[in-house]
Amino acid sequence: EVQLVESGGGLVQPGGSLRLSCAASGFTFSSYAMSWVRQAPGKGLEWVSAISGSGGSTYYADSVKGRFTISRDNSKNTLYLQMNSLRAEDTAVYYCAKAVSNVVVTATLDYWGQGTLVTVSS
Amino acid sequence: QSALTQPASVSGSPGQSITISCTGTSSDVGGYNYVSWYQQHPGKAPKLMIYDVSKRPSGVSNRFSGSKSGNTASLTISGLQAEDEADYYCCSYAGSSTYVVFGGGTKLTVL
Repeated sequence: EVQLVESGGGLVQPGGSLRLSCAASGFTFSSYAMSWVRQAPGKGLEWVSAISGSGGSTYYADSVKGRFTISRDNSKNTLYLQMNSLRAEDTAVYYCAKAVSNVVVTATLDYWGQGTLVTVSS
Repeated sequence: QSALTQPASVSGSPGQSITISCTGTSSDVGGYNYVSWYQQHPGKAPKLMIYDVSKRPSGVSNRFSGSKSGNTASLTISGLQAEDEADYYCCSYAGSSTYVVFGGGTKLTVL
C-alpha cells in the first residue's frame, strides 16, 4: 500500500525557514517523480514544485522560485521541501504527491499525503 | 486568481447527472491532453478521479467521466450519490514555463 506521510510543519515568523519532509513507502520511490502542492486555508490547490526520480531535475512555481528548494533522499525514501524567506502568503497545508510515472511535470498525481500545516505569522 | 476557471458551486439531486466545467487557454487545457480532476472531501487529501482528460484510475467509479472541447474540460458525474458531495479541482499541464495549473475548485452539493 502506498503511503506518504508529511511532517515538519508549524508556526514560523515572516522571513524564517522551515523544512518539510515526506516519508514514502509501498512503492519504488526512486522510480517516480514527486511533487509538492499547497492549499491556503479555505482556498484552492496550488502546484508548488516537482522533482524527478533521480533528483536531477527540479521545477518550481514562480511564487516560490528562489525561496524554496525541493530535494529527495532515495536511500531514505524521503522527499523534502526547504522553505526560506517565508511570507504570510505561504501559509497553507502542504501536500506531497506521487506522480504516476517519472514524468516530472505532470498533472497526474495518483497518491497524496495527509498534508502538514505551515503558518507564517508574527 | 486561479489559472483555470471553474464554477464556484454546482448541485444536483441523487440519481441525477451534473457537469463541472474547467476553462483555460490554448497554453494549458487547449494545448495538451493532460487534464486531471481531483475530488477533495473536507479535511482530506485530494483524490485523483480522472487523468489525461478522460481516463479513470483503477478503483474510481465509472459514474465519473471526463471530456474536453477546445480550451474547456468537463467532469461529468452520473447517478449522483451523497458520497459525491465534495470539492472538485481540475488541473492541467501548462507547458515548460508555467508547468502545472489548477482550477479554483467547485463545491458539489447533493441535495
